[in-house]
Order: sequence, then structure tokens, then C-alpha cells
Amino acid sequence: DGGITQSPKYLFRKEGQNVTLSCEQNLNHDAMYWYRQDPGQGLRLIYYSQIVNDFQKGDIAEGYSVSREKKESFPLTVTSAQKNPTAFYLCASSTVGRPGELFFGEGSRLTVL
Amino acid sequence: SQKIEQNSEALNIQEGKTATLTCNYTNYSPAYLQWYRQDPGRGPVFLLLIRENEKEKRKERLKVTFDTTLKQSLFHITASQPADSATYLCALDMGYGGSQGNLIFGKGTKLSVKP
Repeated sequence: DGGITQSPKYLFRKEGQNVTLSCEQNLNHDAMYWYRQDPGQGLRLIYYSQIVNDFQKGDIAEGYSVSREKKESFPLTVTSAQKNPTAFYLCASSTVGRPGELFFGEGSRLTVL
Repeated sequence: SQKIEQNSEALNIQEGKTATLTCNYTNYSPAYLQWYRQDPGRGPVFLLLIRENEKEKRKERLKVTFDTTLKQSLFHITASQPADSATYLCALDMGYGGSQGNLIFGKGTKLSVKP
């Protein structure tokens, strides 16, 4: 079955630690995205990538980093510079071109202790 | 300022009735508008996309309208069922760029369908 796999589902980290969230897709999509979702707020874009080895900042990129070394993979690192990292993180993918729908993973919930 | 608003945080209706969810926006000119369903603790799932030159789109029990004059989209679920209970998100697509990196999401409306 084609889809997007995010791991881990739940993650706890101490303040000052970096953590990396995994996102893998087998949909052969060129574009991949990371969103953050907080209670009472819409999805906010952190980073996106339209092609391997290239990515663009979204609206809230500060304190986050990404890489796109393979078409299938788009990991997100939440660094210690992110002031309020506790949130639900969603990875998505799509074809390039318009219009297009997003295919989301099941999400990763990060809690900073 | 630019805003996207979904009519209410929560909507409660009786099974069998039609649920109508609203998405209003200001100071945007979207080329497309999308609707997604999100269950608790899960990722959103795409439901429907409507273009700016389309008035209405249907898929089974779902119907979406798009009024660019009123700057509003309505999302209807007819003959609603308890299984339709979820949060529904609207998203504006400005239509530029090569991917969906410019989608603007609303906060969502939580629909509860009571048996």
C-alpha cells in the first residue's frame, strides 16, 4: 500500500535536546512538507521541498531544520532553539503542479518535559 | 489583514440531518479551495477540491460550493451519520508556485453527529 509513514508516533524530550522526526513516502511524490498543528490553530507550514537536495522555509521555520537527500525521505529536526516545540507534527507529500491535494502521514506528537 | 475563518469551532447535529460548514476568507484570491477531514490524533485526509470558476462540486454525500464574490465556501454533508463526526479543515490555494506550499489552512470545525 502506498502512503506516508511518520515515526515515532509519540516522542518525549528534555529541554535543550535536539530531536529528529522521520517521514518516508512511497507515493513517488516529488514534493514533501512539514506542518505543525497546535490546539485552536490551523496547520502552519514549517518547511517544504519540491525536489531532492532543495527545500524552502515556510511560515515558522525558526528552530527547525530539514534535509532532502532522497526523494522518499524528508526528516525534520526540532532543535533546542525552538522555543515552544511541544506540538503535533504532520508530514505530507504531493505531486508537483496545480491543483494538487496533500497526502498526510499519521503525525508525531512531541512533548518537551 | 488576511484571514481565513471557519464558522464555528464545533457543530452538533442529529443523525440524518444535513451538516453545513462554512469557510470565509478576506483579502485572499484563491484559485482553488480544498476540504480535508481530520480524526483525533490522525493526519488530515483530502475530501474535495473546487476551482474558482466552479460553483459546486459533489462527491457521494458531500457537496462543496465556492462563491468568490462572497469569499465563502460551504461544505455540506447530507444524511449525516455518527461516522461523519470529525474535524473538517478548509484550505485556500493561491494557485502559484509549483507545489502546495502556499496552502492556507483554517482552524477547522469539529462536527459531532448524534444518533
